[in-house]
Amino acid sequence: DQQVKQNSPSLSVQEGRISILNCDYTNSMFDYFLWYKKYPAEGPTFLISISSIKDKNEDGRFTVFLNKSAKHLSLHIVPSQPGDSAVYFCAARTGNQFYFGTGTSLTVIP
Amino acid sequence: DVKVTQSSRYLVKRTGEKVFLECVQDMDHENMFWYRQDPGLGLRLIYFSYDVKMKEKGDIPEGYSVSREKKERFSLILESASTNQTSMYLCATRYLISGYEQFFGPGTRLTVL
Repeated sequence: DQQVKQNSPSLSVQEGRISILNCDYTNSMFDYFLWYKKYPAEGPTFLISISSIKDKNEDGRFTVFLNKSAKHLSLHIVPSQPGDSAVYFCAARTGNQFYFGTGTSLTVIP
Repeated sequence: DVKVTQSSRYLVKRTGEKVFLECVQDMDHENMFWYRQDPGLGLRLIYFSYDVKMKEKGDIPEGYSVSREKKERFSLILESASTNQTSMYLCATRYLISGYEQFFGPGTRLTVL
């Protein structure tokens, strides 16, 4: 059973606009959440993370929001750039295990 | 920069063969992980290792085993490859002190015929 879900397989956004990628989870024991970015033929690379005791974390153009009551996580990219086109995975941690979503393919149109 | 390398980018094997996938890291990270990535299923954890000679099953360990004799090397073994093990295999490492992010290798695309 998928404990971390990304319900949008793909997203297209115009360059300069905001990209919002969403992630839902079911396990209330998750205490840390991460976003990874993956280009074709490469492994995922870490992008940004958030602890469950926070509701927002910002790093440059990337902001992650956490709504614990809704068990919902989102990644905002502002402004979006063509180089942001990639597959984005959210992940959640409990203990020593990490659970990943199925990924959202973001295309930023120049 | 953390470097995680995997022995092959592409591998083709026959059903029933024993397959070894190797992962090597150069940053002295304690934790190492093996995932497989399949369309519509995301990354699923096969096995992970806390440290040398220590291993734990992940979500889908059936048909796989692992070996970690040295800190820098974590091997995934398919005892008798089957067609449903055709997948992208990703190795990752994590440094206990620095946080929860994992560092991934480039992946091995395994095809079992």
